[in-house]
Amino acid sequence: AQSVSQHNHHVILSEAASLELGCNYSYGGTVNLFWYVQYPGQHLQLLLKYFSGDPLVKGIKGFEAEFIKSKFSFNLRKPSVQWSDTAEYFCAVNSMNSGYSTLTFGKGTMLLVSP
Amino acid sequence: GAGVSQSPSNKVTEKGKDVELRCDPISGHTALYWYRQSLGQGLEFLIYFQGNSAPDKSGLPSDRFSAERTGGSVSTLTIQRTQQEDSAVYLCASSLVGPEQYFGPGTRLTVT
Repeated sequence: AQSVSQHNHHVILSEAASLELGCNYSYGGTVNLFWYVQYPGQHLQLLLKYFSGDPLVKGIKGFEAEFIKSKFSFNLRKPSVQWSDTAEYFCAVNSMNSGYSTLTFGKGTMLLVSP
Repeated sequence: GAGVSQSPSNKVTEKGKDVELRCDPISGHTALYWYRQSLGQGLEFLIYFQGNSAPDKSGLPSDRFSAERTGGSVSTLTIQRTQQEDSAVYLCASSLVGPEQYFGPGTRLTVT
């Protein structure tokens, strides 16, 4: 079965610091990759997605992620975080194994940005 | 347009009672998913509907959990004889074609 691993459960940064959140998945076939964000008191929102093509994808609010197939990774980055980026971030994958239907999520990384 | 809606937003119930959670997907979305979010556990897949049929029920944790979808739209997740370990946020998502899913606000279930 496919699985997703997020390396950090909690990250604390100061404003303007750079961010990189790690995500690795276990499935070896063709995958679709996602980062979702959940701001305090709000529902899950799609931050960015990778289906095919350019492995560097850009999402909303200055976030980007790079798909490295050889490393089974899809790390999320932002050059300079803001206080408003405080949220929980989830990496997710679906694949041919799941019929490209259900998403398998990582356990999430809680990001706290101090002003 | 309107997003995925769920009701109730919060539900407190006594151990042993049955509960029903409702999901209204985005209009026209054919696929509907239920997930459970527990503290520190991320999101756990429960069940997936394509139209009114459920080709994947593999995530339902026990036979106390069931779900149905009628008219290719509204879905209800039922938990019978609730236990304290059922306490979680239950999330619904829908999609049209392709793998991108849109999530609702969730129902926070607390079993006392």
